Amino acid sequence: QLQLRESGPGLVKPSETLSLTCTVSGGSISNSDYYWGWIRQPPGKGLEWMGGVYHNGITYYNPSLKSRVTISVDTSKNQFSLKLNSVTAADTAIYYCARHDRQPLVDCWGQGTLVTVSS
Amino acid sequence: DIQMTQSPSSLSASVGDRVSITCRASQGIRNDLGWYQQKPGKAPKRLIYGASSLQSGVPSRFSGSGSGTEFTLTISSLQPEDFAAYYCLQHNSFPLTFGGGTKVEIK
Repeated sequence: QLQLRESGPGLVKPSETLSLTCTVSGGSISNSDYYWGWIRQPPGKGLEWMGGVYHNGITYYNPSLKSRVTISVDTSKNQFSLKLNSVTAADTAIYYCARHDRQPLVDCWGQGTLVTVSS
Repeated sequence: DIQMTQSPSSLSASVGDRVSITCRASQGIRNDLGWYQQKPGKAPKRLIYGASSLQSGVPSRFSGSGSGTEFTLTISSLQPEDFAAYYCLQHNSFPLTFGGGTKVEIK
C-alpha cells in the first residue's frame, strides 16, 4: 500500500528557507502515471496547492508563491522535496505531500507536518 | 487561475439529514473536479473524482454531480462519522485550486 511521509524541521526562522522531504514507500516515484506535489494548510484554514513535479523533473508551481518555491525529485531515493525561501509567519502551516493521478487529481496524502515560522 | 467558490462555509445538520455542498468555478472545467473529506488532525481523503465517480471504499450515501462551472456534493443521510470539513479541488488547469471548504457540524 502506498505511503507518503513528510520529514524536516518543525521550526524555521523568518527569512530562512523551509526544506521538507517526502519519502514514498509501497510504490515507485518513477511511475509515469503519477505526479507528486505539495499542499499546505495554515492552522484552522483551508488548503493551498503549492506545486508539483513529474518523475522526469518537470514542475508546475502556484504563481501565488512567486519564485520562492522549488520542488525536485530524487528517483534514486524514491523521494521528492520542497524548498520555500524567504519565509514569514504567513508560511506557518501543515505541509502535506501528495500523489496525483494522471488527471492530475490528488489521490493519496501524507500525514502532514506542521512547520512554524518564528524567531 | 481558476477560482473555486464553495458554499456554504459551514452548516449545522442532524444525523439522517440530507446535506448538499456547492462549488462554483470561475470558468468551465468540464468534470475535472474532486471532493475531499478532512477530519480534525487528519489529512484529507478523496471521496469523489471526475465530479461524480465514487472513490472505492467510500459509502454510497456520498454522491457528486455537475459539470462545467457548478458542482454539488450530496450526503443523502448524514451519519455521525460524516461531521468533518469538505473541500472541492479543480484539476482542469494548473495551478490546481481548492474551494474554501465547508465545515459540517452537529446540530
